[in-house]
Amino acid sequence: DGGITQSPKYLFRKEGQNVTLSCEQNLNHDAMYWYRQDPGQGLRLIYYSQIVNDFQKGDIAEGYSVSREKKESFPLTVTSAQKNPTAFYLCASMGQGYEQYFGPGTRLTVT
Amino acid sequence: QKEVEQDPGPLSVPEGAIVSLNCTYSNSAFQYFMWYRQYSRKGPELLMYTYSSGNKEDGRFTAQVDKSSKYISLFIRDSQPSDSATYLCAFFSGGYNKLIFGAGTRLAVHP
Repeated sequence: DGGITQSPKYLFRKEGQNVTLSCEQNLNHDAMYWYRQDPGQGLRLIYYSQIVNDFQKGDIAEGYSVSREKKESFPLTVTSAQKNPTAFYLCASMGQGYEQYFGPGTRLTVT
Repeated sequence: QKEVEQDPGPLSVPEGAIVSLNCTYSNSAFQYFMWYRQYSRKGPELLMYTYSSGNKEDGRFTAQVDKSSKYISLFIRDSQPSDSATYLCAFFSGGYNKLIFGAGTRLAVHP
């Protein structure tokens, strides 16, 4: 059963702590993406990676970091430098026809 | 001018109505056109995908692309309460290596 998994579904952290969100895919896709979505808002691109060991900043990369050591995995770290980290985070991978497939999302709450 | 314009709604229709959702875009380099459906607190799912001007039909859904007017539409026939969701248009051009999303239109279909 191919797809994208994100864990955990809900995450709670204290302000000042770094937190890492997991994203795994078994679709054999090269490109992967991280988005942030705030209530009633569209998708904003944080980081993307077109190939293992390479990644590019998106529109709102400040306060975030990523790694891409394996094709299947693209974890996102929300650092303490991110001013407003509470949001819904979505991971996606891109297929051969440039369409993107999304995971179920992680809802992060920082207090 | 924004690259993609999409009316955020909300759009409220009675069950059985024909729904028309629209996006305009300014970048003539966009080659691939997609519609995503996003239920509340879920990841977006790919609904329709096309790369040429004209119509593409899939069940109750029809995607229409007019490249000369830089305008895409999604029509939903015989709308159901289960169609209540946010619909996002998305565009791809090779120069970006990423999708450009509209802000999403919130649709409510009431019984």
